[in-house]
Amino acid sequence: EPEVTQTPSHQVTQMGQEVILRCVPISNHLYFYWYRQILGQKVEFLVSFYNNEISEKSEIFDDQFSVERPDGSNFTLKIRSTKLEDSAMYFCASSETGGTGELFFGEGSRLTVL
Amino acid sequence: GQNIDQPTEMTATEGAIVQINCTYQTSGFNGLFWYQQHAGEAPTFLSYNVLDGLEEKGRFSSFLSRSKGYSYLLLKELQMKDSASYLCAVRARSHQAGTALIFGKGTTLSVSS
Repeated sequence: EPEVTQTPSHQVTQMGQEVILRCVPISNHLYFYWYRQILGQKVEFLVSFYNNEISEKSEIFDDQFSVERPDGSNFTLKIRSTKLEDSAMYFCASSETGGTGELFFGEGSRLTVL
Repeated sequence: GQNIDQPTEMTATEGAIVQINCTYQTSGFNGLFWYQQHAGEAPTFLSYNVLDGLEEKGRFSSFLSRSKGYSYLLLKELQMKDSASYLCAVRARSHQAGTALIFGKGTTLSVSS
C-alpha cells in the first residue's frame, strides 16, 4: 500500500541551528501538508502546498519556516533558527484531491531542540 | 475562528459500544473527518462525512448534523486495540486548493477487559 515516508525519524539539534525535515508524499497525490504535534497536545496545521506554491498557512508558520518541493518527489520543511518550543513531532501528509480527499500521514519526524 | 470540542477522555470495556461526540464552530464547512492515533504514531483515517446522516464502516460509524455543528463516532464491539486517541477534524471552506484539516484536541479512549 502506498505510504508517506518521512526522514529523519528523530533529530536532536541545538537551539539556533537550521533543521530540514524531508517527506516523500504518495506518488499520485497533488496536495501536501505539514502538521506538528507538541507532546500531549493536539495536531496543529502549519502549511499546505499545491501546484508548487503555498496555498494556506497558519499563524504558527512564521518567517522561520519554509517549504520546498526541490524535485518531483521530495517535500521539505525547513526551520531556519530552531527554538526550544519547536520541539515536537512533525507530520507530513498528502492527499489526492483538495476538496474531499482524506489526508494520509507519514510516521512523523520527532524534533528535539536543546 | 475555528473551534472544535470533544471530550478529553473516555473509558469502556471490551465488547461494549462507545460514542465519541464532537462539536464544531468554523468559518465554513467542507467535511468532517475522524482519525485514530495510537500513542507515538501517526493519525490514520477512519471516516468522512460531508452530508448529514450516518456513514457506516464495519465496527465504526460516524454521524453528522451540519445544522447543529455536531458529529459523533460510534465504535461497536470494542477491542483492546481500540485504545487510542480519536481525533475530530474539520475542513473549512476555502477558495484556495488544498484546504487543510483543523483538528480537535482528541479523545483518549481506554478499553479495559
